[in-house]
Amino acid sequence: GESVGLHLPTLSVQEGDNSIINCAYSNSASDYFIWYKQESGKGPQFIIDIRSNMDKRQGQRVTVLLNKTVKHLSLQIAATQPGDSAVYFCAESKGYQFYFGTGTSLTVIP
Amino acid sequence: DGGITQSPKYLFRKEGQNVTLSCEQNLNHDAMYWYRQDPGQGLRLIYYSQIVNDFQKGDIAEGYSVSREKKESFPLTVTSAQKNPTAFYLCASSMATGITGELFFGEGSRLTVL
Repeated sequence: GESVGLHLPTLSVQEGDNSIINCAYSNSASDYFIWYKQESGKGPQFIIDIRSNMDKRQGQRVTVLLNKTVKHLSLQIAATQPGDSAVYFCAESKGYQFYFGTGTSLTVIP
Repeated sequence: DGGITQSPKYLFRKEGQNVTLSCEQNLNHDAMYWYRQDPGQGLRLIYYSQIVNDFQKGDIAEGYSVSREKKESFPLTVTSAQKNPTAFYLCASSMATGITGELFFGEGSRLTVL
């Protein structure tokens, strides 16, 4: 299967600071790279995705960067809030196939 | 509101029993999926279905069965053959491929074997 990994299992940031969560992927043929947020006991919630032919995409308070040269994906959250505390995991997809990383637990310190 | 509904949210099963987890979507999505989530692990694919009356095994299909008789419904049966069924089960759906990378998830069903 595909390998999608994360650099750090946990991340703590001060409220108001920016957060950066990183992910490495292995399949250069993937169509999309996606970030999900999962709160405890709930289903994953889509945050943002980026097509494989793009380098950067911005959403509301979030930016995803894709570096295909080193097969690296990152999620930047601006002005992190307590409600951002959750597990974040990346995924890559091609057609109907989705491959998920194990997740980074983000804790926002008030 | 459009979305995916999973039920029950919590389920307890005795060893040797089969249980069925329900998944319904009103997003008009063609594809539906079942994933299993265990602590510290990424989501693992159990089964997926691209169209009605067709489904494919995922990476960990042993001990599970599915059906896709209607576009909206994709129930998962955890059989007694599944040796370690205690887990958090997630149903998902997606639009036709190539349009978006988004996979829509339900709120999950937590199965505990007593």
